[in-house]
Amino acid sequence: DAGVTQSPTHLIKTRGQQVTLRCSPKSGHDTVSWYQQALGQGPQFIFQYYEEEERQRGNFPDRFSGHQFPNYSSELNVNALLLGDSALYLCASSRQVKTSYGYTFGSGTRLTVV
Amino acid sequence: QKEVEQDPGPLSVPEGAIVSLNCTYSNSAFQYFMWYRQYSRKGPELLMYTYSSGNKEDGRFTAQVDKSSKYISLFIRDSQPSDSATYLCAMSEPNTGFQKLVFGTGTRLLVSP
Repeated sequence: DAGVTQSPTHLIKTRGQQVTLRCSPKSGHDTVSWYQQALGQGPQFIFQYYEEEERQRGNFPDRFSGHQFPNYSSELNVNALLLGDSALYLCASSRQVKTSYGYTFGSGTRLTVV
Repeated sequence: QKEVEQDPGPLSVPEGAIVSLNCTYSNSAFQYFMWYRQYSRKGPELLMYTYSSGNKEDGRFTAQVDKSSKYISLFIRDSQPSDSATYLCAMSEPNTGFQKLVFGTGTRLLVSP
């Protein structure tokens, strides 16, 4: 049973460019959340998608946007990249039902902005 | 001040030692408390989950929550070199459920043979 898969694993972009990261949730999961983990820090919540809509959002600027597709997969887009956007971007999937708890995380995409 | 504080370590212990990892928090609305383990170049994996106050045990792992002190702990008995990883505490409020977690910075644990 495949877990959460993220692509690409590594990415190098230039300041000012745009980037798209992709995530396929674990089988049976319908909710996808994105986290940013800077070096030496814990993950920070960016936003969550369920039923193809953004349901919750953390304290991130509008440069960060996302999308969820009918098959539950998701994309994270970041525009006008800044050096400070360099981080590990984690996708986590879960089930929306209230009895569900905890996430299954992917291994992340390491984004380096130069 | 961060909502969740965690000593980044590293914490170095010999194999077989009892390990104590801790987090403090400031948001009294937190009701759900979790511990994640993160190996290098991997995503976090859920170890323990606790609702409100109390203790929970699972094998060599014990999680404790003291809401009056806003303090949570994870104990690892008979630590093994394979336990070497970063341990992240995470918390959430009831109105956001488990979907929006606030993490600590993580404590790096090194268990030497």
